[in-house]
Amino acid sequence: QKEVEQDPGPLSVPEGAIVSLNCTYSNSAFQYFMWYRQYSRKGPELLMYTYSSGNKEDGRFTAQVDKSSKYISLFIRDSQPSDSATYLCATKKTNAGNMLTFGGGTRLMVKP
Amino acid sequence: NAGVTQTPKFQVLKTGQSMTLQCAQDMNHEYMSWYRQDPGMGLRLIHYSVGAGITDQGEVPNGYNVSRSTTEDFPLRLLSAAPSQTSVYFCASSFGPSGVKQDTQYFGPGTRLTVL
Repeated sequence: QKEVEQDPGPLSVPEGAIVSLNCTYSNSAFQYFMWYRQYSRKGPELLMYTYSSGNKEDGRFTAQVDKSSKYISLFIRDSQPSDSATYLCATKKTNAGNMLTFGGGTRLMVKP
Repeated sequence: NAGVTQTPKFQVLKTGQSMTLQCAQDMNHEYMSWYRQDPGMGLRLIHYSVGAGITDQGEVPNGYNVSRSTTEDFPLRLLSAAPSQTSVYFCASSFGPSGVKQDTQYFGPGTRLTVL
C-alpha cells in the first residue's frame, strides 16, 4: 500500500465551482504537507505548503491538514479553466532532507 | 535564470543500452533530486543529493546511478535500460530542507524515455 493515496479522477467541474481535492496518508511521521500543480507535459510547481496541522489560505486556494485523521485537502474557490491540471499532494518527514513522498495525483478539468 | 534544465526532452532506447539524462540548475541550490513519474504512481524519488559530492538513494534506485561533481549538475545514468524504465523523468532542485523557501522544489520540464 502506498504511503500517500489520492483519487486519480478525473474530476470535472463547471467554471466557478468550489473544488475539493483530497489525500490520505498512513505514516504519522509526516510533518510537512505540500500541494503541487502540474500542467500537461510540464514539471510540477509548488502551490501550497503547510507545516503540521491547520489551514493555510492563498487567494482562491486553501490547504487543510488534519493530522488526527491523516487527511490533507486542497480547496479551490471560483474555479477557472486555467486551474485544469493534475494536483499532486506531497509529504515529508522532519529531518528528511528533500525526500518527498507524493500521492498519485488527481486530474482536474474545469469546463467553461 | 533558466531554472532547472533537462536534456534530452525525448529519448528512445533499446533494451540493454545505456544513457545519461542531463540536469542542470542555475539557482545555486544545494539539494537536487531525480524522480520518475508513471501513470497513477505519482512521482517516485530515484536518487537525491544534498551537495556536491554527496548522493543517496531514494525509493526506486535500482538500475540508476548518479554523481554530483558540481553544484549545478546532477546527471542520471541508466546502466542497462529495461522496458520497466519507460517513464517520464523529472529533475528538481531546492535550497535545502525545512521551511517553505528552502523546501520549495523547482522541477525541470522532464525527459520522456521509452525503452523498447
